[in-house]
Amino acid sequence: GIQVEQSPPDLILQEGANSTLRCNFSDSVNNLQWFHQNPWGQLINLFYIPSGTKQNGRLSATTVATERYSLLYISSSQTTDSGVYFCAADSNYQLIWGAGTKLIIKP
Amino acid sequence: EAGVTQFPSHSVIEKGQTVTLRCDPISGHDNLYWYRRVMGKEIKFLLHFVKESKQDESGMPNNRFLAERTGGTYSTLKVQPAELEDSGVYFCASSPGTYGGYTFGSGTRLTVV
Repeated sequence: GIQVEQSPPDLILQEGANSTLRCNFSDSVNNLQWFHQNPWGQLINLFYIPSGTKQNGRLSATTVATERYSLLYISSSQTTDSGVYFCAADSNYQLIWGAGTKLIIKP
Repeated sequence: EAGVTQFPSHSVIEKGQTVTLRCDPISGHDNLYWYRRVMGKEIKFLLHFVKESKQDESGMPNNRFLAERTGGTYSTLKVQPAELEDSGVYFCASSPGTYGGYTFGSGTRLTVV
């Protein structure tokens, strides 16, 4: 089945810094999604991005489907950006999840 | 609109007991999914309903797990009897279509002691 790998596993940054999170997937997928799990455990859907680039405020995402990767950019990080970021590949009507990137933003 | 609601938010039960988790999807969403994350592992798919029918239950770990979606509205996930390895966070999601547009609930943290 499809494998989804995320890097880095952990990232510690100072407030105001920029970051790039990567998601590689092993086969073609119908869709690729990015989620943020906040410290309270809630999974928030950030982007639904099978290909191309999308932006929402300080966050943007790019998926290059032909090369089987997606990137999540966070600019001017804030402490509220802390948490775990997951990417998930949509295949055969189910999401295959990466292990997540744990992001800590220090004030 | 109201989001996906799950309850309880936390449950602590003893090994061998029964627990029932509930998920109320967004109104009008035909697709309902259950996922879980056990300690230290990745989030894994459990099953997918389309309305009241089980579309895919390939992720259900064993026959101690039973999911239902009566009338195509809310869904329940029963674990009977619970084992220690069932501990983790159980997430429910719904979507209007098959691909994308998933909205997740806040999850139920299950602890089996």
